[in-house]
Amino acid sequence: GAVVSQHPSWVICKSGTSVKIECRSLDFQATTMFWYRQFPKQSLMLMATSNEGSKATYEQGVEKDKFLINHASLTLSTLTVTSAHPEDSSFYICSAGVTPGGYNEQFFGPGTRLTVL
Amino acid sequence: GQNIDQPTEMTATEGAIVQINCTYQTSGFNGLFWYQQHAGEAPTFLSYNVLDGLEEKGRFSSFLSRSKGYSYLLLKELQMKDSASYLCAVLDSNYQLIWGAGTKLIIKP
Repeated sequence: GAVVSQHPSWVICKSGTSVKIECRSLDFQATTMFWYRQFPKQSLMLMATSNEGSKATYEQGVEKDKFLINHASLTLSTLTVTSAHPEDSSFYICSAGVTPGGYNEQFFGPGTRLTVL
Repeated sequence: GQNIDQPTEMTATEGAIVQINCTYQTSGFNGLFWYQQHAGEAPTFLSYNVLDGLEEKGRFSSFLSRSKGYSYLLLKELQMKDSASYLCAVLDSNYQLIWGAGTKLIIKP
């Protein structure tokens, strides 16, 4: 149980285009979903936390107009990187929490590797 | 500020035991997690400690001392597949996860 999927697994796009990444909890309802970014040889960096039906809470330094997060249902959250640039190339990982606030345990998706040319 | 410290890299031999330490200074404490992350993959949950003491789970054990702001992950009977990064993360008073930079564990035959 507690499987989280992400789609796509990897994406290559041209600079200036927008990319949408989906995160789904397959066999449970996720009250909270987290979006992380990880650059090579660095630890996870939390970008934002979202609860179903409400606006996402962004971490300091993360542009909410550039990284659009939608958490429309208890099983789906999407991250859209708008007008992507090469510096946005990274490994994006979502995780889902099963308790309010999601703090007890987070189940991670497999990640999406984004390369912006 | 909030800080999680763990060694950058460790090397151990197959079949041996290795201990990965983690020290933390955070605003409040609501538990400490250990995650394993293989290169190019997302982290997977290993353990969660919120009370002092040792939690054993198969070949992996995790220890916590809240008074010392210290935890360790103990891996026994090391296997080549244990080569990975091990991430320590602390849940602070706002229930926000503070992540360490991870310890890259290299297992040699």
